[in-house]
Amino acid sequence: LAKTTQPISMDSYEGQEVNITCSHNNIATNDYITWYQQFPSQGPRFIIQGYKTKVTNEVASLFIPADRKSSTLSLPRVSLSDTAVYYCLVTAGGTSYGKLTFGQGTILTVHP
Amino acid sequence: DGGITQSPKYLFRKEGQNVTLSCEQNLNHDAMYWYRQDPGQGLRLIYYSQIVNDFQKGDIAEGYSVSREKKESFPLTVTSAQKNPTAFYLCASSPIQSSLYEQYFGPGTRLTVT
Repeated sequence: LAKTTQPISMDSYEGQEVNITCSHNNIATNDYITWYQQFPSQGPRFIIQGYKTKVTNEVASLFIPADRKSSTLSLPRVSLSDTAVYYCLVTAGGTSYGKLTFGQGTILTVHP
Repeated sequence: DGGITQSPKYLFRKEGQNVTLSCEQNLNHDAMYWYRQDPGQGLRLIYYSQIVNDFQKGDIAEGYSVSREKKESFPLTVTSAQKNPTAFYLCASSPIQSSLYEQYFGPGTRLTVT
């Protein structure tokens, strides 16, 4: 599966929109992009998954350009409770199970 | 409530002892996983199982063993052969048939070996 690269940390303030970009230059045709969120001393939680263009759910949006070599997780109007580590993963298409490879993730800190 | 249970939340052991971490799920998921997380790092896969009585090594299986005798349960044994066992251990499960690739994680067990 393709390796992902994302910023080690980001800072924001309450009420702002936060965009976290992830690069995955070697993504395969069948691969999907998936984002997880992890709070300290808890297990990660699935946020969103997409293949191309834009996906939106009640928590976030995911933007994927046509070449799919990068993706951007967008968190609208963040609050202090959005402070967490965000992981970008590439997952094999056509299956719903199997190995996940987590990088170091992006530590997002939201300030008052 | 459906979910994944890991117990205990904190576990302390002396060096040289084997220790077994519990993981139970009532989500009716076929696949289960064990990950290890060290401070400031991402998760690394230890073992995973897609079906009862079958499991595969992940990226860091040395010093660990698992069993999958029941669909709901996937215990992990940290043996004395594991050189650096102190870590945060996370269990996860996922359905085989799903349109989404999503793993559901338990709350984790923090193991300290001294």
